[in-house]
Amino acid sequence: ETGVTQSPTHLIKTRGQQVTLRCSSQSGHNTVSWYQQALGQGPQFIFQYYREEENGRGNFPPRFSGLQFPNYSSELNVNALELDDSALYLCASSPDGETQYFGPGTRLLVL
Amino acid sequence: KQEVTQIPAALSVPEGENLVLNCSFTDSAIYNLQWFRQDPGKGLTSLLLIQSSQREQTSGRLNASLDKSSGRSTLYIAASQPGDSATYLCAAFHNTDKLIFGTGTRLQVFP
Repeated sequence: ETGVTQSPTHLIKTRGQQVTLRCSSQSGHNTVSWYQQALGQGPQFIFQYYREEENGRGNFPPRFSGLQFPNYSSELNVNALELDDSALYLCASSPDGETQYFGPGTRLLVL
Repeated sequence: KQEVTQIPAALSVPEGENLVLNCSFTDSAIYNLQWFRQDPGKGLTSLLLIQSSQREQTSGRLNASLDKSSGRSTLYIAASQPGDSATYLCAAFHNTDKLIFGTGTRLQVFP
């Protein structure tokens, strides 16, 4: 158990819709990162938040956005869903910026 | 741009064998190299983290080595067991505060 939880576990949406995924990390973990993992691939970095500010972004369009809250929870929002957005979305929190504790993920299917 | 490659992509071995999983990376300017385990449809479990100043780390039957100059890391699993069956991912951690993952090695250990 990493102490990182994600909700929901599974989600089905249709193309064009919007989705919000949630992550709750341990107290004191000021850094949270989000990753997208397509089937058969390694996770790809979406972005990272540190103390509620975006602290780095991967090669993802602006329709992927995030928020981090003072209570160590965070959100990943995706607008205008596309079929290729179907993937496992992982969040990872860190107390020191290096050691990453991953949640179980949210599996998103876009139809 | 950092690229991480894992060989082999898949491996099937009988129980009891010792095995080596390989990971190579193109940019040696890393902070650390991490190995993760992922069970089907699940999140990531951290196995070993090797700092850039270290050569290897050990945990139980697992040993990971790091050679920054050649851009390689290996994960050695001793006396493999069916419970070791999973996908193993290596990831390079950069000063950009993100993990760059390989595509993984899918391991099956049969009784």
